Amino acid sequence: QSVLTQPPSASGTPGQRVTISCSGSSSNIGGNYAYWFQQLPGTAPKLLIYMTNQRPSGVPDRFSGSKSGTSASLAISGLRSEDEADYYCVAWDDSLSAVVFGGGTKLTVL
Amino acid sequence: QITLKESGPTLVKPTQTLTLTCTFSGFSLSTSGVGVAWIRQPPGKALEFLALIYGNDDKRYSPSLKSRLTITKDTSKNQVVLTMTNMDPVDTATYYCSHDSPGTTGLDYWGQGTLVTVSS
Repeated sequence: QSVLTQPPSASGTPGQRVTISCSGSSSNIGGNYAYWFQQLPGTAPKLLIYMTNQRPSGVPDRFSGSKSGTSASLAISGLRSEDEADYYCVAWDDSLSAVVFGGGTKLTVL
Repeated sequence: QITLKESGPTLVKPTQTLTLTCTFSGFSLSTSGVGVAWIRQPPGKALEFLALIYGNDDKRYSPSLKSRLTITKDTSKNQVVLTMTNMDPVDTATYYCSHDSPGTTGLDYWGQGTLVTVSS
């Protein structure tokens, strides 16, 4: 049982906008930054969003992050076939003094 | 350029102790504000935080696994070592190490991961 809650799956057609949610609590998402990772099959996770809404260099601006209260969201606009991957949200948890992960969301591009 | 690479046994027996080494380059773990974390992923399952060590030797552990984990660093060798005792088949997973910039870019660089299978 993951501390952060994500929907197990999401889908969209090419060109669409898709949003993935991540629900936490005041001790993690509510009081700290959210991070998002993309994991393609058989590869290590790749940092997609840091400090809730910042993109590392090289990450397309089709990817954006936001937060409201104790929930964070990852939005992908102009969906492309290569976006098909697993997406994870991450945050620091002040109560646990540990990094916490979401259970991951498998994105399918139809 | 920051790189990390995990090394260790690919197969361990139940009840044995696992020792994994993360060898990194491109940064120093002797300064505060930098850390190295271990994360694992069982086949087909989600990522799970294990442990984190900072340059000032501050350490953090997964509460559920804390009694079985020890994380240490060897600054002179640019290595971080994770030991996990009393291994069980449910611990079969790909184990990753990652560079951490706390409060900024976070877990920004990852190793390729190493698959550890627990079986008799």
